[in-house]
Amino acid sequence: GDSVTQMEGPVTLSEEAFLTINCTYTATGYPSLFWYVQYPGEGLQLLLKATKADDKGSNKGFEATYRKETTSFHLEKGSVQVSDSAVYFCALTDHGTSYGKLTFGQGTILTVHP
Amino acid sequence: DGGITQSPKYLFRKEGQNVTLSCEQNLNHDAMYWYRQDPGQGLRLIYYSQIVNDFQKGDIAEGYSVSREKKESFPLTVTSAQKNPTAFYLCASSTGAAGGYTFGSGTRLTVV
Repeated sequence: GDSVTQMEGPVTLSEEAFLTINCTYTATGYPSLFWYVQYPGEGLQLLLKATKADDKGSNKGFEATYRKETTSFHLEKGSVQVSDSAVYFCALTDHGTSYGKLTFGQGTILTVHP
Repeated sequence: DGGITQSPKYLFRKEGQNVTLSCEQNLNHDAMYWYRQDPGQGLRLIYYSQIVNDFQKGDIAEGYSVSREKKESFPLTVTSAQKNPTAFYLCASSTGAAGGYTFGSGTRLTVV
């Protein structure tokens, strides 16, 4: 079945540091890939997405590139801020098999200190 | 503004009781979903519905039930058969297209 694996956290960085959160996936069909962000006590918000190989999703300084050859979708940001502290989820939806369902990674907690 | 409303935000249940979590959307989305979130385990799919009067079990449906009598509403009942119901429950809806998910703000259920 489909699965998503994220790097284990928590991740703690100083403000303006470079961020990478690794994400790899397994899918039997043709997945679209997503990063979601969750702030404390809230639901999930879509951060960025990519729907086919070599697509780059970007938003609010975050980027991720859909790498089919390595089945990866790593999240990066060049300079993090305290306000980026949250839980980040990598996810996929596999259009070839399970209509519309999202499969999530376990989440990575990011804490950014001033 | 369009969105998804989950209620209540916090819910306490006694052992042996059934409770129902509300999820309402005004986005005109066909598909709706219920996920359960536990610390360190990400989100796991409980039930989903692609159309009114139809729904399917997700990965962890045991001890839960749903209904989809209206396009806007997808309530989740946590029954007494659910052995470990304490968790954060998230409802979502989707157009079905990639990236069309919208999440509610969640309900935190605690068994006392």
